Amino acid sequence: GNSVTQMEGPVTLSEEAFLTINCTYTATGYPSLFWYVQYPGEGLQLLLKATKADDKGSNKGFEATYRKETTSFHLEKGSVQVSDSAVYFCALSDRGGGSEKLVFGKGMKLTVNP
Amino acid sequence: GAVVSQHPSWVICKSGTSVKIECRSLDFQATTMFWYRQFPKQSLMLMATSNEGSKATYEQGVEKDKFLINHASLTLSTLTVTSAHPEDSSFYICSAIREDTDTQYFGPGTRLTVL
Repeated sequence: GNSVTQMEGPVTLSEEAFLTINCTYTATGYPSLFWYVQYPGEGLQLLLKATKADDKGSNKGFEATYRKETTSFHLEKGSVQVSDSAVYFCALSDRGGGSEKLVFGKGMKLTVNP
Repeated sequence: GAVVSQHPSWVICKSGTSVKIECRSLDFQATTMFWYRQFPKQSLMLMATSNEGSKATYEQGVEKDKFLINHASLTLSTLTVTSAHPEDSSFYICSAIREDTDTQYFGPGTRLTVL
């Protein structure tokens, strides 16, 4: 079946550091890929998504590129801020849209210190 | 953005009792809602798809008689954990589908502890 494997944390960075969170997937067909973020006390929010190979999703300075050849969707940000402290989840949907049921990775907690 | 609420945010109950968790879409109507379960340091696992006006669709291995789902209106789905046992202790998260934006909006979750 479909699965998502992502870096496990927790990870602590200093403000303005570079961030990479690795995510790889196993799926049949052509899934859509997502990154969700969960800030303390809040529900998961869609951060970015990509629906086909070589697509790049971006939002709030974060980027991730859908790499079919390596089955990866790594999340990157060039300069993190304290406000980026949250738990990050990689996910896939095997039927394309964001309204379909999702398969999640375990999540990675990021803490950014000033 | 769209808001989904869950109530209660946490609950502690005795073994053998039933607990109801509510999921509401506050500013949009949702024909479809999902219920997920998250164990510590594990990913969210889909339990069931809640469809307004019809029976829920359960994922393989999820007991439908234990986890009762009712989606009686376009803004409310409820999950009832019946005859709860300590192994049902978990974090339960719902999401609601906003069809016009093809986006899934998540509630903040409910922490259930069964003693």
